[in-house]
Formats: sequence, C-alpha cells, structure tokens
Amino acid sequence: NAGVMQNPRHLVRRRGQEARLRCSPVKGHSHVYWYRQLPEEGLKFMVYLQKENIIDESGMPKERFSAEFPKEGPSILRIQQVVRGDSAAYFCASSSLGRRNTEAFFGQGTRLTVV
Amino acid sequence: AQKVTQAQTEISVVEKEDVTLDCVYETRDTTYYLFWYKQPPSGELVFLIRRNSFDEQNEISGRYSWNFQKSTSSFNFTITASQVVDSAVYFCALRRDNNNDMRFGAGTRLTVKP
Repeated sequence: NAGVMQNPRHLVRRRGQEARLRCSPVKGHSHVYWYRQLPEEGLKFMVYLQKENIIDESGMPKERFSAEFPKEGPSILRIQQVVRGDSAAYFCASSSLGRRNTEAFFGQGTRLTVV
Repeated sequence: AQKVTQAQTEISVVEKEDVTLDCVYETRDTTYYLFWYKQPPSGELVFLIRRNSFDEQNEISGRYSWNFQKSTSSFNFTITASQVVDSAVYFCALRRDNNNDMRFGAGTRLTVKP
C-alpha cells in the first residue's frame, strides 16, 4: 500500500483559486478511486476511474469538481473556484482489478486548506 | 440503504489490555465485502482485512482478530495485548457487489497509553 503516491501532501488555496491534486497509483494498477474525508468524519466516495475513462462519478459534486486519469501520467482531481467547505483530506486509492472484492490501497492523502 | 456504524467514537486503553472495536453494517445485498482500515497519526490509510459476505469464518492475524456475524450484521475487530503503536483511527467499510462506492464508518479513535 505504500505504492500509491499523492502530491502535494498539503495544499493551501485562497477562495476562488483552483486546486489540483495528483495521484500516481501502484505500478500496474489501472483503477483509481478518489475519496474525501471531512474533519472527524469517515471517507466518502467521490469518483472511480479507469485509464482514460470515468466509470462512476456519483459521489462527486456536479459543479467545480472534475477528475481524469489519462493514458500517461497521474490521475488528477481538480477543484475550481475553491470555497471554505472544500477544506478536507482527499485520498486516492488504486486497485489492480475493478472487482468489488479486491482491496484498494490508499495513498497518504492531500490535505487541502482553503483560506 | 448501505450504512456502516461505528458507535464508539473514542476508546482509551492501557497498554497490554485487549480492546474490541465494534462495526455494525446495513445492507440488503446478499453479496458484499467488509473491510477494516487503520489511519495512524501520519494520516495514511492502511488496509487490514477484507471479508466476503459468504465467508463467515473468523480470522486471526497476530494480535488482530475479526469476528464476522451475519446474524447481527457485525464485523468486530479485536486487538489483543494492545501496544502504543496501535493508537490510530480505525475505519470499517462496506462495499456492495455491484457498486464502486465503498461506504466507510465514521471511525473509532483508539488511544493506547503506556
């Protein structure tokens, strides 16, 4: 599980700016999941991607949030025009298969603070 | 509806005590998967165990053991002879067989004092 790399670890943005969070999955993993953890809460699913495809974005806010997982390079979670309520820890997880019975390995998270 | 409840918000024990973290889940599915993750103070999420709904055999891994009871929809986690390094937030999670959404409980913060 140490293979999922997220950067930056900490990100501070002013209201109205854009936040870009990066996730490099475990080598060989083609499935990526993004979760958000609000302070003192559990993780909430946002989006599930395979290479170049968004499979399930049912947990992602309809506005300002977008995600991609290009053929080459890391997965990106983009938050436009950030607001204070976007402050949270954002975790990325990857798995080798999309089957639900496989464990997903998590990165260390990016802690976004909007000031 | 899918839901995971970890009723214990915080638990504090003294080193070498045994401690059980409770997890109760709700689902109408017959096939589902249960997980436990550990989140130490450094913030990362560490996978501990996965259990399939059709496998009720309990599991032991060193000082860790898990008790899966479908009859009570519980998947409890016991740490035997706790150590200071066990201090962390522990999350229980449920994933449906036909859904990519892994539902997490709110977590239990375990503090093990020396």
